[in-house]
Amino acid sequence: NAGVMQNPRHLVRRRGQEARLRCSPVKGHSHVYWYRQLPEEGLKFMVYLQKENIIDESGMPKERFSAEFPKEGPSILRIQQVVRGDSAAYFCASSPTDRGPINTEAFFGQGTRLTVV
Amino acid sequence: AQSVTQLDSQVPVFEEAPVELRCNYSSSVSVYLFWYVQYPNQGLQLLLKYLSGSTLVKGINGFEAEFNKSQTSFHLRKPSVHISDTAEYFCAVSGPYGGSQGNLIFGKGTKLSVKP
Repeated sequence: NAGVMQNPRHLVRRRGQEARLRCSPVKGHSHVYWYRQLPEEGLKFMVYLQKENIIDESGMPKERFSAEFPKEGPSILRIQQVVRGDSAAYFCASSPTDRGPINTEAFFGQGTRLTVV
Repeated sequence: AQSVTQLDSQVPVFEEAPVELRCNYSSSVSVYLFWYVQYPNQGLQLLLKYLSGSTLVKGINGFEAEFNKSQTSFHLRKPSVHISDTAEYFCAVSGPYGGSQGNLIFGKGTKLSVKP
């Protein structure tokens, strides 16, 4: 019974390169959330996706960042032309549904730690 | 807008001593409150949550928290800590999507360090 799987666990990119972070939700979960954790900070919400739809991207930087959750396959967080300030831990969470009472737990992955050199 | 303040960034404590990690929130709507634990280089694990009902919530690993609406607080407590409780603890409040617990607003975290 696999939980949320994120890969890679660690990613090193040079400034200007692209970073692709993958998140496979718990089997059967159709809702995915991405968070960013900067050093000495809590997690900050980035984007909320359902299959093939972006529901809320209010936490995403306006440029260079994009996310998708296709009908098949994992959710992808893509960062183009990375800069040193993008260095952080990126966490994905999934939940089965947002319908009904708010007693549906969201499960977090172990995160991808991005280092930009 | 909702926000969470964790009043202590670091809490050192000796093994078997009691501990309280403080959390205050602000919100203009009904709130759901959570405590998560993060061990080094790991993801977040849910310790406990308050959705409704009894204001005293019991969670895993012997932790409990009390929801205090008048003081807008949700402090986490454990009567006797172990070395293995050394970790970072995050308080969180639900965001605008009331139907899912995934969209959360987190505090900056409190690092609990348990010494022998």
